[in-house]
Amino acid sequence: DQQVKQNSPSLSVQEGRISILNCDYTNSMFDYFLWYKKYPAEGPTFLISISSIKDKNEDGRFTVFLNKSAKHLSLHIVPSQPGDSAVYFCAASASGYALNFGKGTSLLVTP
Amino acid sequence: EAGVVQSPRYKIIEKKQPVAFWCNPISGHNTLYWYRQNLGQGPELLIRYENEEAVDDSQLPKDRFSAERLKGVDSTLKIQPAELGDSAVYLCASSSSGTHGGAEQFFGPGTRLTVL
Repeated sequence: DQQVKQNSPSLSVQEGRISILNCDYTNSMFDYFLWYKKYPAEGPTFLISISSIKDKNEDGRFTVFLNKSAKHLSLHIVPSQPGDSAVYFCAASASGYALNFGKGTSLLVTP
Repeated sequence: EAGVVQSPRYKIIEKKQPVAFWCNPISGHNTLYWYRQNLGQGPELLIRYENEEAVDDSQLPKDRFSAERLKGVDSTLKIQPAELGDSAVYLCASSSSGTHGGAEQFFGPGTRLTVL
């Protein structure tokens, strides 16, 4: 069963606007959440993470929000740039180590 | 600093043939992971090593898959014999146990396996 779900397979956003990628999880034991970015023919690259003791973490243009009661997190990219076009994976772990990944959301940022 | 190195990048074999993948993690990273990523899916963990010890191999199909990490540095993942359903990208990742128990993992480029 899929414990981490990304229900939007794709998203298209205009350059300069905000991109919002969503992720839901079912396992209440998850205490650490990460976003990875993947370009074709490359491995996933770590982007940003958040611990369950926080509800927001910001790094430059990227912000991750965590709503534990709803078991939901989102990644905001502001402003979006064409180079952000990639597949974004949400991942979660319980007490470290094993990562459970969602199926990914393909983001396309158009000029 | 060099990233995670994997080879080969691509491999095409016929079913029932053996195949092996090699991974060299980031220097100093004690934890090494092998993942399999099927088309349209996220990576799924096959095995995790702490140094040379396999501490989580619950998802490794042990009838045909094997892995080793001699000397606790580089690692090899083997499939023998390969089946059509093994076609996937095999990703190696490593982490330092000092970062949230190792949750921030760094991935190699992967090996794309095609079984004909």
